Amino acid sequence: AQKVTQAQTEISVVEKEDVTLDCVYETRDTTYYLFWYKQPPSGELVFLIRRNSFDEQNEISGRYSWNFQKSTSSFNFTITASQVVDSAVYFCALSEAREGSGGSNYKLTFGKGTLLTVNP
Amino acid sequence: DTEVTQTPKHLVMGMTNKKSLKCEQHMGHRAMYWYKQKAKKPPELMFVYSYEKLSINESVPSRFSPECPNSSLLNLHLHALQPEDSALYLCASSQVTGYGYTFGSGTRLTVV
Repeated sequence: AQKVTQAQTEISVVEKEDVTLDCVYETRDTTYYLFWYKQPPSGELVFLIRRNSFDEQNEISGRYSWNFQKSTSSFNFTITASQVVDSAVYFCALSEAREGSGGSNYKLTFGKGTLLTVNP
Repeated sequence: DTEVTQTPKHLVMGMTNKKSLKCEQHMGHRAMYWYKQKAKKPPELMFVYSYEKLSINESVPSRFSPECPNSSLLNLHLHALQPEDSALYLCASSQVTGYGYTFGSGTRLTVV
């Protein structure tokens, strides 16, 4: 069974502060994918990043950066110089192959999410 | 086209009504999914279709009936729902390898 833990339920910061959202996962598979999604109040899930289990390179995209460490089963997300528009729920998710009647399928298991509030 | 389109965006239905949620993608993805998200909770998988055939049913009650008429469309037929079924219903699609997992913006369903 797979599991994703986001220990931080809510985080509140002041604009321009840096903030790190933690994600720890459990899986028995050697091949898997990790995701981060942003969900603003409007409800849509906005894809931020996908990382496969064989690629431990950290990634930076503008103010966003991700730190993937297989040794600690963590995939943490940092927002630098946070802005009010970053306020949202952020989900970490794990995808594993799962056998169904139609062959292998990919189920995303989400963490419980972290509500980030950035105050002006 | 890199979108998954869901209609309607909002739906209010009575417990005796029959309604359908629709999902469409034109990315050539052959895997499509329905997720349910209750308020302040993460999305949870309901169904997976692979090559237009139901592959996974996560023990969803029969009042939810999925249908995949072709490789671009996915429907969720609703009948005799309960108020506790009120939630955001998200459709997603991906390549069968799992690559390119894309979510629609969801249908916010209220059962009265």
